[in-house]
Amino acid sequence: ELKVEQNPLFLSMQEGKNYTIYCNYSTTSDRLYWYRQDPGKSLESLFVLLSNGAVKQEGRLMASLDTKARLSTLHITAAVHDLSATYFCAVDINTGNQFYFGTGTSLTVIP
Amino acid sequence: DSGVTQTPKHLITATGQRVTLRCSPRSGDLSVYWYQQSLDQGLQFLIQYYNGEERAKGNILERFSAQQFPDLHSELNLSSLELGDSALYFCASSVVGIGQTYNEQFFGPGTRLTVL
Repeated sequence: ELKVEQNPLFLSMQEGKNYTIYCNYSTTSDRLYWYRQDPGKSLESLFVLLSNGAVKQEGRLMASLDTKARLSTLHITAAVHDLSATYFCAVDINTGNQFYFGTGTSLTVIP
Repeated sequence: DSGVTQTPKHLITATGQRVTLRCSPRSGDLSVYWYQQSLDQGLQFLIQYYNGEERAKGNILERFSAQQFPDLHSELNLSSLELGDSALYFCASSVVGIGQTYNEQFFGPGTRLTVL
């Protein structure tokens, strides 16, 4: 069974700082997705990464994918309070079938 | 707004009861997925339907069942409810079809189920 691990599980950081969330998965896949979830809310799609070396950026968030290392990173630059949320990565190994979600990283940005 | 709708938003019921959760996918999406999110289990995939047919099954209990109708909306039926079934239930949809190379899923707002 595919396993998707994120670390850290909890992250508290000060505004203006940089940090990286890691997502490791246990089997070959070249499709990785990042989602954001605010407390009590739904999941919002952030990034879709479809090949080795893919990099996507939106505002203060940048996601990358290394399929050989089975690793994706979500880098946060100069964090602001509005980025406080839980971030999930997800992997699918057969297009059209189920996602395997990571455990989630709960990010709190302290003013 | 993802375009995926779910009803009801909140549901409070008693143990042993049966409930039905409803999901309407985004226009044009053929696949519907159901997920359960609880504090202790995280986000768990339950079941997927594609154009009316069951396509993949995850950690779905035998007390739970689902179906997708010809108009592509889907219902998740939960029966003989237990306290541990209290959770957020999400529906997601995607356009996945022939020639699609990836599977970006769009999530509905969820139904919060409380079993007392």
